[in-house]
Amino acid sequence: KNQVEQSPQSLIILEGKNCTLQCNYTVSPFSNLRWYKQDTGRGPVSLTIMTFSENTKSNGRYTATLDADTKQSSLHITASQLSDSASYICVVSGDSSYKLIFGSGTRLLVRP
Amino acid sequence: NAGVTQTPKFQVLKTGQSMTLQCAQDMNHNSMYWYRQDPGMGLRLIYYSASEGTTDKGEVPNGYNVSRLNKREFSLRLESAAPSQTSVYFCASSDIVNYGYTFGSGTRLTVV
Repeated sequence: KNQVEQSPQSLIILEGKNCTLQCNYTVSPFSNLRWYKQDTGRGPVSLTIMTFSENTKSNGRYTATLDADTKQSSLHITASQLSDSASYICVVSGDSSYKLIFGSGTRLLVRP
Repeated sequence: NAGVTQTPKFQVLKTGQSMTLQCAQDMNHNSMYWYRQDPGMGLRLIYYSASEGTTDKGEVPNGYNVSRLNKREFSLRLESAAPSQTSVYFCASSDIVNYGYTFGSGTRLTVV
């Protein structure tokens, strides 16, 4: 069964610290992997999209990595800010870009 | 540039009532989607429309119907609401060529 699992479920860090969120997937065939940020009460917003041939991609303080051999991805947030408090969702696209498989997300809280 | 607009933002229905959730996009995307998001779970695809004039079932279509009115608009209808349909509903559109997905801000629906 195609699945996307994220860890941890929730995380609390102090402002200015770094953190890394994990995503493991069992989707096959694999097309691309995306990370989204979802603020409370809002829709998900894309952070990065990586295809099979890409193993890292950055978007400002967000850096995503992909290991297609082990089917793992991570999202690293550098120098966290209060505005980083949100849910971060890992999404994998399989054999059709029309059908995405969503992880349940990691809820990040950044405290002053 | 509004992106994806959903209406209403909030709705409370009684069991058995019907309603239509509206969605419109102004990005000239061909594909549109309806998802539901429940606590502790990833977003699940209800229906999608790969292009104007076509619709297909997603992972959880039971109890819902959709209409792709034109290229811009994609509506979701609940004919006889049930408490199990209490959820947050997201509309999205995509430009398959660029893998870009844009989500609306969601409709929070409660069925009592």
